[in-house]
Amino acid sequence: AQSVTQLDSHVSVSEGTPVLLRCNYSSSYSPSLFWYVQHPNKGLQLLLKYTSAATLVKGINGFEAEFKKSETSFHLTKPSAHMSDAAEYFCVVRAGSSNTGKLIFGQGTTLQVKP
Amino acid sequence: DGGITQSPKYLFRKEGQNVTLSCEQNLNHDAMYWYRQDPGQGLRLIYYSQIVNDFQKGDIAEGYSVSREKKESFPLTVTSAQKNPTAFYLCASTGTGYNEQFFGPGTRLTVL
Repeated sequence: AQSVTQLDSHVSVSEGTPVLLRCNYSSSYSPSLFWYVQHPNKGLQLLLKYTSAATLVKGINGFEAEFKKSETSFHLTKPSAHMSDAAEYFCVVRAGSSNTGKLIFGQGTTLQVKP
Repeated sequence: DGGITQSPKYLFRKEGQNVTLSCEQNLNHDAMYWYRQDPGQGLRLIYYSQIVNDFQKGDIAEGYSVSREKKESFPLTVTSAQKNPTAFYLCASTGTGYNEQFFGPGTRLTVL
């Protein structure tokens, strides 16, 4: 069965410093992995996705993530945090190989960006 | 513009009442989903539909019902049997050629 664990419930950084949000996954086969961002009282927006192509995935707003099979990790990074990055971030794995398969969400990481 | 709309944005209900949340998409997607989000938690799947006139229970279907009579619409009814209905409800869809799901803006339901 697939599962995903976000290792930090809350991360606080200063504006202009790097961001690291950690995610480990469990999957019995090659997974499809996603990072979504949610601003308060809004829907979810896709940041980036891994679907067995390049292991280093670039997303929107300067975010990127690296798929590491040996470590079963898919950590999200950004070189320099901006105030607008403050939000909730979800690491997600898709169950099954079908594109309509259900998504399994991590518990979320709240990113705080201090001026 | 293509997208997913959910209405209303905020909804208040008295205990014992059924209420229906609307979800409409004009993306021509075949599959649609309903999720529930509680504070400090990830999203949990309530129901999903991969094709018109067919739907399956998700992880927390008890106290909810859905219909899928049209491709673009997937309404969710929160019944009086749902013990803790106060939550943020998100609708999503996906279609051929996409790996990700696309989300609507959500409806916040509060039971008074």
